[in-house]
Amino acid sequence: QSVLTQPPSVSGAPGQRVTISCTGSSSNIGAGYDVHWYQQLPGTAPKLLIYGNSNRPSGVPDRFSGSKSGTSASLAITGLQAEDEADYYCQSYDTSLSGSVFGGGTKLTVL
Amino acid sequence: EVQLVESGGGLVQPGGSLRLSCAASGFTFSSYEMNWVRQAPGKGLEWVSYISSSASTIFYADSVKGRFTISRDNAKNSLYLQMNSLRAEDTAVYYCARAYYYDSSGYKRYYFDYWGQGALVTVSS
Repeated sequence: QSVLTQPPSVSGAPGQRVTISCTGSSSNIGAGYDVHWYQQLPGTAPKLLIYGNSNRPSGVPDRFSGSKSGTSASLAITGLQAEDEADYYCQSYDTSLSGSVFGGGTKLTVL
Repeated sequence: EVQLVESGGGLVQPGGSLRLSCAASGFTFSSYEMNWVRQAPGKGLEWVSYISSSASTIFYADSVKGRFTISRDNAKNSLYLQMNSLRAEDTAVYYCARAYYYDSSGYKRYYFDYWGQGALVTVSS
């Protein structure tokens, strides 16, 4: 059972928009800690996608965007492409656990 | 170019020990906090441990506290994870990940900006 809750799977057709939610609590996201998102392609290490709730590292397409409100955060992907098919993880910090916490991951399928 | 390369994974019996290493290059290792994150087969990511740049601050996940020890050698640009009393549920790919600190509304926060390729640890008889 992950501290942050994500839907196990989402799907969308090429060109469509999908969102992935990440729900936490008052000891992590709700306590003001930022949310970060990672993309993990099959058989590879995770790669930073969004940091500080809504910031994209250099090289990440602007089709990817993030937001945070209250105890939740969301990752939005517009103009879906086949190469976006991957697992996506949210991550934050939990003050009661004194460490980083991840969501359970969401598998994105491009139909 | 930042590179993190894990080594030391393998098959170990329950109750046994293993030591993972992470060789860092392409950045000033002694200036960065480091972490270990693991991923059980077919499962999600789980943070394992954190060590500050000077090794003065260390944290562990409850699932490994008392069994795992994180350490670093800044002179050798290396991060380590000593794993004792291993259990079947410790079977996972172990990643070392660099922590990048930034300012967020006056608070210091961090994210994992670079990851190694991972080392597979299998605990089985």
